[in-house]
Amino acid sequence: SQQGEEDPQALSIQEGENATMNCSYKTSINNLQWYRQNSGRGLVHLILIRSNEREKHSGRLRVTLDTSKKSSSLLITASRAADTASYFCATDAGYSTLTFGKGTMLLVSP
Amino acid sequence: NAGVTQTPKFQVLKTGQSMTLQCAQDMNHNSMYWYRQDPGMGLRLIYYSASEGTTDKGEVPNGYNVSRLNKREFSLRLESAAPSQTSVYFCASSEARPADYEQYFGPGTRLTVT
Repeated sequence: SQQGEEDPQALSIQEGENATMNCSYKTSINNLQWYRQNSGRGLVHLILIRSNEREKHSGRLRVTLDTSKKSSSLLITASRAADTASYFCATDAGYSTLTFGKGTMLLVSP
Repeated sequence: NAGVTQTPKFQVLKTGQSMTLQCAQDMNHNSMYWYRQDPGMGLRLIYYSASEGTTDKGEVPNGYNVSRLNKREFSLRLESAAPSQTSVYFCASSEARPADYEQYFGPGTRLTVT
């Protein structure tokens, strides 16, 4: 069963706009991670936020975590066509594994 | 560093055939994983190896077997392929448990079972 669920399923924006995608999960976590997948490629790790952190930045990425609402958001500022990809959240479902959501497909048009 | 490598990149099998997907990492990671990804789905964990010498079932282990050959290599075997195993298979590795470390993914193997 999938722990994290991303919303929306798909998002289409213009270059220069901000993109926000959300992740909700069901059980307590130690950390939450976001990954990007370009079409036909493997996943690439973007950012890891721990349960005791509320916000984390990495370049144009901002991730927030609200453990009381069991939700996280990923904000990509000033989007570029190269940001077109699927974005997945992943939570640690147990000691040794991650559980991935179904992803948000982001399309950034020039 | 090559990171995580997978072979083959593409494979077509007939129902009932067997094959082994190979995965190797050169980052000295302790933990390795096999996932499958189907259209519109996230990744689902098939098997994982938390450390050399151990393997455990994930969410969808039926029809698969794994071998952690050494610290670098983790193979996935389909003994009798079925059309339901048509998917993209990803191998991943991490330094240690996912609660604390990111996972590094290979480029994937696209498998079609006819």
